[in-house]
Amino acid sequence: GAVVSQHPSWVICKSGTSVKIECRSLDFQATTMFWYRQFPKQSLMLMATSNEGSKATYEQGVEKDKFLINHASLTLSTLTVTSAHPEDSSFYICSAEGLAGDGVETQYFGPGTRLLVL
Amino acid sequence: AQSVTQPDIHITVSEGASLELRCNYSYGATPYLFWYVQSPGQGLQLLLKYFSGDTLVQGIKGFEAEFKRSQSSFNLRKPSVHWSDAAEYFCAVGNIYNQGGKLIFGQGTELSVKP
Repeated sequence: GAVVSQHPSWVICKSGTSVKIECRSLDFQATTMFWYRQFPKQSLMLMATSNEGSKATYEQGVEKDKFLINHASLTLSTLTVTSAHPEDSSFYICSAEGLAGDGVETQYFGPGTRLLVL
Repeated sequence: AQSVTQPDIHITVSEGASLELRCNYSYGATPYLFWYVQSPGQGLQLLLKYFSGDTLVQGIKGFEAEFKRSQSSFNLRKPSVHWSDAAEYFCAVGNIYNQGGKLIFGQGTELSVKP
């Protein structure tokens, strides 16, 4: 149980194009999903909190117009990197918050999406 | 300030040896503590968590962790390491009732296992 998928697993695009990454909770509903960015050999940096049916909350320093987040259903959140540039190349990981068997809200992570912008 | 510190960036242990990964936290509210493991190029898998009750928690893959409030620590242990345990380990603190459940992650500890 508590499986989160991401699609695509990796993507290469040209500078200036937009890329959409999907995050799905496969066997549970998630009111809240989170988007992280991870640089090589570094920890996860929270980009934004995505709540179903409302606007995402972005962390300080994250451009909301560049990283568009849509949480249209209880099982799907999308991150669109608009007008991507080489500096946007990174590993993007999502998590979905679900109620575990012990009654504790727990974040379950997707496998990540590696983005390379040429 | 809320933070998580993993003092060891990289640890190497021999297969079959015991393991302890350190984690210290600073958190203003009641801490919910988590350990996640990440294999190269993969997402994070939850190993175990603590939110209340018994301060020694058991997780998957033979891991356990002990919450020590007086030391603000939540160290991860395993009595006998297997080669497949080589990965990056992250400690995190958060609370659903505080800041919307956002997690604060440590910098991670990379574990290498010698044959």
